[in-house]
Amino acid sequence: GNSVTQMEGPVTLSEEAFLTINCTYTATGYPSLFWYVQYPGEGLQLLLKATKADDKGSNKGFEATYRKETTSFHLEKGSVQVSDSAVYFCALGTGGGNKLTFGTGTQLKVEL
Amino acid sequence: SQTIHQWPATLVQPVGSPLSLECTVEGTSNPNLYWYRQAAGRGLQLLFYSVGIGQISSEVPQNLSASRPQDRQFILSSKKLLLSDSGFYLCAWSAGLAGVGEQFFGPGTRLTVL
Repeated sequence: GNSVTQMEGPVTLSEEAFLTINCTYTATGYPSLFWYVQYPGEGLQLLLKATKADDKGSNKGFEATYRKETTSFHLEKGSVQVSDSAVYFCALGTGGGNKLTFGTGTQLKVEL
Repeated sequence: SQTIHQWPATLVQPVGSPLSLECTVEGTSNPNLYWYRQAAGRGLQLLFYSVGIGQISSEVPQNLSASRPQDRQFILSSKKLLLSDSGFYLCAWSAGLAGVGEQFFGPGTRLTVL
């Protein structure tokens, strides 16, 4: 079956630090990969996606590259801000898209 | 553009009382619809999903049920709430066969059972 593994949180960084949140997956076939962000008290928002190997998804300064050889989709940002404090979820899905498989989420705290 | 609504935003209910949470989607047709629960500090648990009117798949045995009376309406219900039903309930939709699988989430309902 499909599974997603994320690094445990919380991750605490100073403003302007470099961010990496690791995500690896196990899937049959060729999944699409997603990063979602959840701000306190809100629903999840799609942050970025990649639908095939070597695709790079990017949005709001965040990037992630679909690495089929390492089955990874690590989230990166060069300079985090306090406003990036949230929980980040990695997920995978298959075409025809009935269900997504989510990781357990990684909480990010950015301090001044 | 598509939008998804959930109500109520917050709810406090006594143990043993009934529950009805509603989710509606605008701007799309024939969406797949999903109910998730998120316990405090935890990940997402898929409760139900639906690929069409009257078609409901349950992911986990529990005290809850779901119904889809219209194409863009999804309802989560319980006849008698338990303390363990407390949590943050999220509704989501996806484009099904027309998409690559991404889901779009509503703002959520915070349920506290006392």
